Amino acid sequence: GNSVTQMEGPVTLSEEAFLTINCTYTATGYPSLFWYVQYPGEGLQLLLKATKADDKGSNKGFEATYRKETTSFHLEKGSVQVSDSAVYFCALSGTGFQKLVFGTGTRLLVSP
Amino acid sequence: DTAVSQTPKYLVTQMGNDKSIKCEQNLGHDTMYWYKQDSKKFLKIMFSYNNKELIINETVPNRFSPKSPDKAHLNLHINSLELGDSAVYFCASSAGTGGETQYFGPGTRLLVL
Repeated sequence: GNSVTQMEGPVTLSEEAFLTINCTYTATGYPSLFWYVQYPGEGLQLLLKATKADDKGSNKGFEATYRKETTSFHLEKGSVQVSDSAVYFCALSGTGFQKLVFGTGTRLLVSP
Repeated sequence: DTAVSQTPKYLVTQMGNDKSIKCEQNLGHDTMYWYKQDSKKFLKIMFSYNNKELIINETVPNRFSPKSPDKAHLNLHINSLELGDSAVYFCASSAGTGGETQYFGPGTRLLVL
């Protein structure tokens, strides 16, 4: 079945540091890939998505590129802020009646 | 306007009780979901309804019974609550059933004592 593997956290960075959170997936066919973010005490929000190979999703300075050859969708941001502290979830969804499969989440802590 | 809302936000109850959580979406979506998030933040789908019909039913104890009175509502009833049911329950909705963005509610924090 489909699955998502993302790096264990927490990831601890200083403000303005470069961020990478790794995500790899296993899926049949051509899934859509997502990054969701969960701020403390809140529900999940879509951060960005990509629906086909080589697509780049971007939002709020975050980027991720759908790499079919390496089955990866790593999240990057050039300069993190304290307000980016949250839990980040990589997820995939197939077509048809397919459920959204989440990774285990990676907590990001950014200090001033 | 809240897109996906859940009530209650917090629920503290005793073992053995029966409780319900309600979810409503005003996005006009056809598909709604219930997820359970455990204390380690692991998120797992429980149920999905499309146009009031059950399409995903993961391995969930039959003490959990979802009900969708219409496309905009998906409620979750839990019988005979157990300690292990303590978690955050999220409702979500999407326009379709595969590949579309899901929109999440704020969560219901359930604590069973």
